[in-house]
Amino acid sequence: EPEVTQTPSHQVTQMGQEVILRCVPISNHLYFYWYRQILGQKVEFLVSFYNNEISEKSEIFDDQFSVERPDGSNFTLKIRSTKLEDSAMYFCASSEGRTSMNTEAFFGQGTRLTVV
Amino acid sequence: AQSVAQPEDQVNVAEGNPLTVKCTYSVSGNPYLFWYVQYPNRGLQFLLKYITGDNLVKGSYGFEAEFNKSQTSFHLKKPSALVSDSALYFCAVSHPSGGSYIPTFGRGTSLIVHP
Repeated sequence: EPEVTQTPSHQVTQMGQEVILRCVPISNHLYFYWYRQILGQKVEFLVSFYNNEISEKSEIFDDQFSVERPDGSNFTLKIRSTKLEDSAMYFCASSEGRTSMNTEAFFGQGTRLTVV
Repeated sequence: AQSVAQPEDQVNVAEGNPLTVKCTYSVSGNPYLFWYVQYPNRGLQFLLKYITGDNLVKGSYGFEAEFNKSQTSFHLKKPSALVSDSALYFCAVSHPSGGSYIPTFGRGTSLIVHP
């Protein structure tokens, strides 16, 4: 069964460093998302991406964050200068479309980011 | 703005008993509603969705959920719980008719099924 894959599974970085989290969405999906989950808290939306541009973003997704689809398969989230409060589990998700038949998002297993 | 509430942080049930995990939503208009399950150190797995039509929707692993528009609820149910159902369950809502396809998640409910 096709699945969303994320690498690495765990990333430890020093405060102020840049990190890139990588995702390979399901191949025929057109909509891509990043969410994060701070330990013990709810899953929060960061950004959605369609047709090579950001379609929606939350107020969490400030200038420190960027997304890119550098080729036909990868979808990346970059945090330019990490802060301690960026420590969280980051989930990538994708969905095939926006109709009632295919709007549900499928999630990767997550990247646990620890900023020290 | 759309939102969901999962009023219970934890639900405990004995194996073989029916289970219910509660969810209420706040959306003006017609919501899309979803349930996801998260096992330890894993991503969220899609269980089921309500878009339109029959209020009772069936999903993976024997789970079902009932959409109740008057009570703005979408409770997750299973007739007979298994120990392996123990996990974190998330309800989510999106509001396409209001312009947003982005699912907003609840805080999650930890389901513990005792042998």
